[in-house]
Amino acid sequence: EVQLVQSGPEVKKPGESLRISCRTSGYRLTRNWISWVRQIPGKGLEWMGRIDPSDSYTNYSPSFEGHVTISLDKSINTAYLQWTSLRASDTAIYYCARLEGDWFDPWGQGTLVTVSS
Amino acid sequence: QSALTQPASVSGSPGQSITISCTGTGSDVGDYNYISWYQQHPGKAPKLMIFDVSNRPSGVSNRFSGSKSGNTASLTISGLQTEDEADYYCSSYTNSTTPRVFGGGTKVIVL
Repeated sequence: EVQLVQSGPEVKKPGESLRISCRTSGYRLTRNWISWVRQIPGKGLEWMGRIDPSDSYTNYSPSFEGHVTISLDKSINTAYLQWTSLRASDTAIYYCARLEGDWFDPWGQGTLVTVSS
Repeated sequence: QSALTQPASVSGSPGQSITISCTGTGSDVGDYNYISWYQQHPGKAPKLMIFDVSNRPSGVSNRFSGSKSGNTASLTISGLQTEDEADYYCSSYTNSTTPRVFGGGTKVIVL
């Protein structure tokens, strides 16, 4: 069974750094891109960016480029989403999802990130 | 503002059929058959319901069907059930700088 399991909820202060993770299992990691999607509580889904595990190529939505970094560690089948300086507006649920063909399946369970002073 | 336009809510009684629209442009929905639909219950992760316009993944009820005409894709739920009450999002490939876009989401209300 293909599974994406994300790290737990985080509470941070503005300006702090953070890395959240997405551990994959049940398939060969290099076969599929991994995407990250943001959902502000009560709002819709926003595509943030993706990484190709075969060569670590990334591309980002202009809305997020320069503010987040997507990376991965193939040795432990894990993708990451990272911030160097969080803002209150980064408060949201973040989902990783496998890009199978042109659709997202499956999704991780989500990681709630709360940024508050 | 989302790249794809969905109605904020659609409602129906149990047993009825409802249709959710997803309107884009010639740069996304109109030019590609890479349309997918996701169901999201409160507090849960999205779940794939339809891919490539009209294909159902294994395990998804055949009460869910998808179609496309021009720049508008649609998700139809037939034989509406209480468990179908959830938010639904469409997604499309796009040839813009953001290769994947979502609709704003539609809340399905079962009366």
